[in-house]
Amino acid sequence: DAKTTQPPSMDCAEGRAANLPCNHSTISGNEYVYWYRQIHSQGPQYIIHGLKNNETNEMASLIITEDRKSSTLILPHATLRDTAVYYCTHGGSQGNLIFGKGTKLSVKP
Amino acid sequence: NAGVTQTPKFQVLKTGQSMTLQCAQDMNHNSMYWYRQDPGMGLRLIYYSASEGTTDKGEVPNGYNVSRLNKREFSLRLESAAPSQTSVYFCASKRTGATGELFFGEGSRLTVL
Repeated sequence: DAKTTQPPSMDCAEGRAANLPCNHSTISGNEYVYWYRQIHSQGPQYIIHGLKNNETNEMASLIITEDRKSSTLILPHATLRDTAVYYCTHGGSQGNLIFGKGTKLSVKP
Repeated sequence: NAGVTQTPKFQVLKTGQSMTLQCAQDMNHNSMYWYRQDPGMGLRLIYYSASEGTTDKGEVPNGYNVSRLNKREFSLRLESAAPSQTSVYFCASKRTGATGELFFGEGSRLTVL
């Protein structure tokens, strides 16, 4: 069974912020939240991860709720190249992550 | 710097044939993983190896065997291929103890007729 719940699809206008939600109510206290994306049929690409605090890197920002049961990935200025399937998952340092079906983000001109 | 390299990239098999998918990483990572992805689906973990000499089952291990040949290489074998194993297979690696990134290969597309 999928460990996370994400909307199957979302649209975003080019240049606007894309906010992708994820519910992970079964997350354990020592597990991190991870986000990956997959462009076309390429291998998935790591975006960002976090434990409790919000995180930001050159690709995106991650907002984790205080109870850690949900998170939001923010692409601040979406471009056409950000069109992809975005996966939210969680796990420990062992890395055996389980991926659901993700959210297909379409960035439109 | 190649990262994670998978071979072959494409393969067509007949039901009952056997084959091995090869994966090698040049990042000195300890942990390696095999996933499969069916059309319109997410990735499902088949097997993983937390370190050289160890392997563990993932979500969907039936019909597969793995070998962690050395630190660099992690192979996936189909002993008797079935049409249900038609899929795209991804190999990934990660440094043990580190959180975060799985580095994925570009995938191996397998069709079983």
